[in-house]
Amino acid sequence: QVTLKESGPALVKPTQTLTLTCTFSGFSLSTGGMRVNWIRQPPGKALEWLARIDRDDDKFYSTSLKTRLTISKDTSKNQVVLTMTNMDPVDTATYYCARTHSNSWDEFDYWGQGTLVTVSS
Amino acid sequence: DVQMTQSPSSLSASVGDRVTITCRASQTISTYLNWYQQKPGKAPKLLIYAASSLQSGVPSRFSGSGSGTDFTLTISSLQPEDFATYYCQQSYSIPPYTFGQGTKLEIK
Repeated sequence: QVTLKESGPALVKPTQTLTLTCTFSGFSLSTGGMRVNWIRQPPGKALEWLARIDRDDDKFYSTSLKTRLTISKDTSKNQVVLTMTNMDPVDTATYYCARTHSNSWDEFDYWGQGTLVTVSS
Repeated sequence: DVQMTQSPSSLSASVGDRVTITCRASQTISTYLNWYQQKPGKAPKLLIYAASSLQSGVPSRFSGSGSGTDFTLTISSLQPEDFATYYCQQSYSIPPYTFGQGTKLEIK
């Protein structure tokens, strides 16, 4: 059974750095083709893909946010970490992690429940 | 980046209706098009991948079609549990991946 769960602070102040952790089970990032992504959704708005990390540590980022994002993994702990610097109120959103795999169409087949992050002083 | 445009942005329909949602890509994406359903307060759920492949466990009243730049999601006979927001998403080539702006399906 594949599960993912996001964790991190519910509230951050403007200019601070956000660190979110995705802890997953039922698959391993050491398995060929496995990938973990981060996606966010501001309240009442559409989904926005943020970043992806692959088994071989290849990393990909949103064009508009790439200067603020860093994604990393700890394969032994089944965790993927996303950091976002210089947080702003417009970054208030629910942040999701989701799995994709290269032996399919890179569809997001499993998602975490999401974690709401509010940026406010 | 590939831009995804969904239409309509909102739609009112009745139980039993046949509904179609369209999604257009700003450049060709072959069949690298996926559809998701999202209910309030919940994570999105994968419905269709590779433009027309039904995800395991998804009812057969959902179907997808298209290739290149134009795609459709069809619900053949709306059920009460289908009222939700639907998103298309392209996964063509190297990221960034992009989503459509969503279509909110409401009860008439």
